[in-house]
Amino acid sequence: GQSLEQPSEVTAVEGAIVQINCTYQTSGFYGLSWYQQHDGGAPTFLSYNGLDGLEETGRFSSFLSRSDSYGYLLLQELQMKDSASYFCAVREGYGQNFVFGPGTRLSVLP
Amino acid sequence: NAGVTQTPKFRVLKTGQSMTLLCAQDMNHEYMYWYRQDPGMGLRLIHYSVGEGTTAKGEVPDGYNVSRLKKQNFLLGLESAAPSQTSVYFCASSYLEGSYEQYFGPGTRLTVT
Repeated sequence: GQSLEQPSEVTAVEGAIVQINCTYQTSGFYGLSWYQQHDGGAPTFLSYNGLDGLEETGRFSSFLSRSDSYGYLLLQELQMKDSASYFCAVREGYGQNFVFGPGTRLSVLP
Repeated sequence: NAGVTQTPKFRVLKTGQSMTLLCAQDMNHEYMYWYRQDPGMGLRLIHYSVGEGTTAKGEVPDGYNVSRLKKQNFLLGLESAAPSQTSVYFCASSYLEGSYEQYFGPGTRLTVT
């Protein structure tokens, strides 16, 4: 099976850069994805890494190192609206069985 | 497009009662999923479907049943509700096999007393 670990909370100030880490243990790996969820809202897709390296989408970037079983989400130029929970997720096996991490709650302070 | 919709938004059940949650998507997606999210935790997959007429078990299937009679709809049933099933239930859909971009509905908050 799969297990994922993330820090439970991260705090940063507006305009700063923050990195949210995700480590995983898998029996088979098919890529790492990231989702954002505001309080009371639904998760929304942010990014996906299937291969090693950095993927950039505006202020958000995601990195993957398959040899280290590690990835991170990098948020730049933080804004108050980035205060939310962030989840990493992997797919287990060839099926559609997705496993989500416990989530990291990001608080952006003025 | 409405995307993914869920009915109802809130529900309170007594232990032992049954109910069905409805998920509908208008994006012609093949894959649909039901997750539960407990307070302060991540999402756990209950069941999923890779196409009309198909269903499969996820991580936490016990106590739930599902059906996918039409491509656009995915139903989640609780036959005999238990307090441990108090949670927020999210439905999601995706277009391609193995696609990591899942589109989520707004959720159903279920309380079992």
